[in-house]
Amino acid sequence: EVVMTQSPATLSGSPGERATLSCRASQSVTSNLAWYQQKPGQAPRLLIYGASTRATAIPARFSGSGSGTEFTLTISSLQSEDFAVYYCQQYNNWPLTFGGGTKVEIK
Amino acid sequence: EVQLLESGGGLVQPGGSLRLSCAASGFTFSSYATAWVRQAPGKGLEWVSVISSSGDNRYYADSVKGRFTVSRDNSKNTVWLQMNSLRVEDTAIYYCAQRLNGDYGPFDYWGQGTLVTVSS
Repeated sequence: EVVMTQSPATLSGSPGERATLSCRASQSVTSNLAWYQQKPGQAPRLLIYGASTRATAIPARFSGSGSGTEFTLTISSLQSEDFAVYYCQQYNNWPLTFGGGTKVEIK
Repeated sequence: EVQLLESGGGLVQPGGSLRLSCAASGFTFSSYATAWVRQAPGKGLEWVSVISSSGDNRYYADSVKGRFTVSRDNSKNTVWLQMNSLRVEDTAIYYCAQRLNGDYGPFDYWGQGTLVTVSS
């Protein structure tokens, strides 16, 4: 099983700041890596797939990078609606696995 | 508009059974694989199962293998998750989700989830 490790567990930021979230895979997942955003009481929303491709209607302030085992989600300027939990997921190998999540909270 | 609507959740005793449904609309259902993903209260996301667009291929997490069965009827635009021998640790919100690229890729559309509670 590919273990996905996200860091930090919690990120405190202010509106307008840049946020950088990390995701590490225990073995290569090539570029088969997605990022999701989840707000309380809501289903997850796909942000990024293929490690760096924004999903439909996702704002340009969200960007993804990386390949192999190291991945990054960057929010260039935090907006109030961005405070949420973010998950990475690999879909290169069975079983499909998610990271434990990073909570982005208001400082 | 793509919609996925789960139903069938509820309270069940340990060892019991439950069948969840996921009704889809707004897209060519038979062209996309469908997954079940769960989230225990206050916890992260856990992939449970995927069924291919044709229904020929089914995959399960080790935690549910042998207890859960996924199936689909493309004429009814519906996927089911039959859950047997339920355990307390199966308590979660269960989401159905559609794969982005047919039988491949991440999950781009999600339902709102149905809550399963396993408790005596």
